[in-house]
Amino acid sequence: DAGVIQSPRHEVTEMGQEVTLRCKPISGHNSLFWYRQTMMRGLELLIYFNNNVPIDDSGMPEDRFSAKMPNASFSTLKIQPSEPRDSAVYFCASSSQGLRNIQYFGAGTRLSVL
Amino acid sequence: EDQVTQSPEALRLQEGESSSLNCSYTVSGLRGLFWYRQDPGKGPEFLFTLYSAGEEKEKERLKATLTKKESFLHITAPKPEDSATYLCAVGSNTGKLIFGQGTTLQVKP
Repeated sequence: DAGVIQSPRHEVTEMGQEVTLRCKPISGHNSLFWYRQTMMRGLELLIYFNNNVPIDDSGMPEDRFSAKMPNASFSTLKIQPSEPRDSAVYFCASSSQGLRNIQYFGAGTRLSVL
Repeated sequence: EDQVTQSPEALRLQEGESSSLNCSYTVSGLRGLFWYRQDPGKGPEFLFTLYSAGEEKEKERLKATLTKKESFLHITAPKPEDSATYLCAVGSNTGKLIFGQGTTLQVKP
C-alpha cells in the first residue's frame, strides 16, 4: 500500500489567495483526519470524517477554512482567503476501526503564505 | 479537559546512554495511548499503542509502558538513527487523538 498521499508537498502563495490541499487516504480506511502543525501549538486536529461524513470540525480555526470528502478516496482542505498566520505544515491521516483506530499520516504539505 | 504533557522537551544523549521519555495525560475515557516518531520534514510514524495499565510493548531499542496517569518510552543503548521527535497521543471517547508537544531526541555518536 502506498500509504496516505498528500499533495502538493510544498505550497507558497500570497496573502488573499485560495489554497487547496489534497489527500488520498489508505484504501479501506473509513476515517480521515486533517491536522495542522506549528512550532508554537504542536499538532492540532482541524476536522475529521467518518465514512465521508464530517464528525467534528471544532478545530477549524475560522470560516476561511473548509474541508470536503466527496468519496472514500479523496479529501480536500481549502483556505480562502489565505493569511500569513496560516503558514504551517498540514497533515492528513487515516484510520480504520478494524485496526483499533491507529492513525497513519501522510508526508504533509508545507504551506507558506507571504 | 483532555490534556497530554510530554517531558523533557529536548534530550541529548550519547550513543549507548539509555534514558526515558515521559508522557503524562488526563483524559475522559482512555481509548489508547499512542507513541509516534517524527523525522524532520516527514509525517508522524506510528510506533506503539497501549490500551491498559501495566501493558508494555517493545520494538528494537524502544519499550513503551503505561500506567493510569502516564506512559514512558524507554530507549536502551540508543544509536544516532534514533534521533527524532517522539510524540505521545491519547485517544479519547470522542474518537479524537490529543497529541503532546513532543520530545526531541538527539543521540550523538
